[in-house]
Amino acid sequence: AQTVTQSQPEMSVQEAETVTLSCTYDTSESDYYLFWYKQPPSRQMILVIRQEAYKQQNATENRFSVNFQKAAKSFSLKISDSQLGDAAMYFCAYRTPSGAGSYQLTFGKGTKLSVIP
Amino acid sequence: NAGVMQNPRHLVRRRGQEARLRCSPMKGHSHVYWYRQLPEEGLKFMVYLQKENIIDESGMPKERFSAEFPKEGPSILRIQQVVRGDSAAYFCASSPSLSTGNEQFFGPGTRLTVL
Repeated sequence: AQTVTQSQPEMSVQEAETVTLSCTYDTSESDYYLFWYKQPPSRQMILVIRQEAYKQQNATENRFSVNFQKAAKSFSLKISDSQLGDAAMYFCAYRTPSGAGSYQLTFGKGTKLSVIP
Repeated sequence: NAGVMQNPRHLVRRRGQEARLRCSPMKGHSHVYWYRQLPEEGLKFMVYLQKENIIDESGMPKERFSAEFPKEGPSILRIQQVVRGDSAAYFCASSPSLSTGNEQFFGPGTRLTVL
């Protein structure tokens, strides 16, 4: 079974600084998808960024980027120029590839990010 | 284009009562997932449905929980004889198909409190 581990229950960052959230996962598959979701106090789950395992290039979305290390099964999220609105729970998630099940997401336990003004 | 809708947003039940949670997927989406989030935890998969079919219920407790996604109307997650341990946030997500890389869009969740 796939597992996702987020080893940092809480992190904090100064406004305008950069922070990196860690995520490791375990799978025997070679093709899969990885996601970072943000959950603000409203509890709405918001997709931040997505990475396809067969792509070597790290995904980037504006101030958000990932460091995907497939051999190490590591998928960290870097937030640059942190803003107060980035304060939230961040969840790393894994999804099986097409043709390999129901495509359910497996989530880590989350990292609570605080942004200090 | 309205997003995934869930209602009610908050539901309070006493032990032994039934809870019905509703999810209307995004327009054009025929795949629905239900997840449960216990306090201080990540979301855990419960069940995956397509119209009129349960495809994968491997994450669903064997007793008291059931789900449906009828041809017409929303998907329903039903919890019979609720217990305090059922208190959690329940999220629904939908996707248009199982094509490669399709994102799951989440609703705002229903927060169930069992007294």
